Amino acid sequence: ETGVTQTPRHLVMGMTNKKSLKCEQHLGHNAMYWYKQSAKKPLELMFVYNFKEQTENNSVPSRFSPECPNSSHLFLHLHTLQPEDSALYLCASSPTEGDAVGDNQPQHFGDGTRLSIL
Amino acid sequence: AQSVAQPEDQVNVAEGNPLTVKCTYSVSGNPYLFWYVQYPNRGLQFLLKYITGDNLVKGSYGFEAEFNKSQTSFHLKKPSALVSDSALYFCAVRDSRGNNRLAFGKGNQVVVIP
Repeated sequence: ETGVTQTPRHLVMGMTNKKSLKCEQHLGHNAMYWYKQSAKKPLELMFVYNFKEQTENNSVPSRFSPECPNSSHLFLHLHTLQPEDSALYLCASSPTEGDAVGDNQPQHFGDGTRLSIL
Repeated sequence: AQSVAQPEDQVNVAEGNPLTVKCTYSVSGNPYLFWYVQYPNRGLQFLLKYITGDNLVKGSYGFEAEFNKSQTSFHLKKPSALVSDSALYFCAVRDSRGNNRLAFGKGNQVVVIP
């Protein structure tokens, strides 16, 4: 039990579909993150939310749309994806982001959603 | 901007032998350094961190890491490797000055041979 739960674990979709990834954390954290993990590449930070406010959009294409309704939940809405978007998408949380209290704390990761675009 | 280099793609070690996974970093200020492990079909799990103080940091599952400021390194070590240590290991760094994101290396695959 990691404290961060991602659903679904696997998703296969066509390029014209619309789907959403869900992340929920039970750790009382205030910061949440989306990362993209591709083989043999560093983790790519996509989005950061701190106290429900988006504080980072790392030049992510608009076909990825995040939503953070509260500090415990994070969504990634997907539409019109490309084959190169196939990857493992990881959600993480931490106490806070961008301050002296939170920056020296580890992030806690979910087990990811394996996304395949046909 | 901060960055991490993990120079080896894969580290092979015999069970019972010492395990070392290398990491060097680059930051403008003082670093916060982290090691994570990823088992197949799982997310990243935190192993240990260096923030300040003693250069030798001990973490989970018998792992330790040594912070070396002059060499800008933070190598992960385990005295006696187990087959169950076979996994992907990530080093990460953040500049302690604030307003800087956590930067991850590309990861090292560790294979422990029975």
